[in-house]
Amino acid sequence: AQTVTQSQPEMSVQEAETVTLSCTYDTSESNYYLFWYKQPPSRQMILVIRQEAYKQQNATENRFSVNFQKAAKSFSLKISDSQLGDTAMYFCAFMKLLTSGTYKYIFGTGTRLKVLA
Amino acid sequence: GAVVSQHPSRVICKSGTSVKIECRSLDFQATTMFWYRQFPKQSLMLMATSNEGSKATYEQGVEKDKFLINHASLTLSTLTVTSAHPEDSSFYICSARDTGTEYGYTFGSGTRLTVV
Repeated sequence: AQTVTQSQPEMSVQEAETVTLSCTYDTSESNYYLFWYKQPPSRQMILVIRQEAYKQQNATENRFSVNFQKAAKSFSLKISDSQLGDTAMYFCAFMKLLTSGTYKYIFGTGTRLKVLA
Repeated sequence: GAVVSQHPSRVICKSGTSVKIECRSLDFQATTMFWYRQFPKQSLMLMATSNEGSKATYEQGVEKDKFLINHASLTLSTLTVTSAHPEDSSFYICSARDTGTEYGYTFGSGTRLTVV
């Protein structure tokens, strides 16, 4: 079974600094997708960034980028120029295609990030 | 972009009663929707997959008679918590995928259920 591990329950970073959130996963599949979601205090899940496993190039979205190491099954999120609005819970997620043709998410336990003024 | 509306955002009900939560895809059709449960400071746990026009698929350990799911149209799925008990108090989130976009599901804003 697939598992997603986030080893950092809580982290803090000074405003304008850079922080990296770690995520490792375990799977025997070769084709899958990885995501980082942000859940602010409002509890709304917001997609931050996604990565297709078949792509070697690391995904980037403005201040957010990932370091995808497929062989090591590692998928870390780097947040540059941290802003107060980045304070939230961050979930790493693995998505696999089911035989039914639908997709299924498996979420990590989350990392609570606090950006300090 | 794709929007998923979830209602109500908060509900308080008495033990033994039932409560219905709605999940609507506002600008796209969703043949499949997903229901998650999230306990305080914990991750999202998939409860069931809701399939339009057919029975839902429940994850292991989820009581299908307690958590009734109906997906009667391509834009609406409902989760009914029957005979609610205090231990059912939790945050429930739905999600759906707009097949017209790249991979990634859109989540509803969640429902905080409190059973007293």
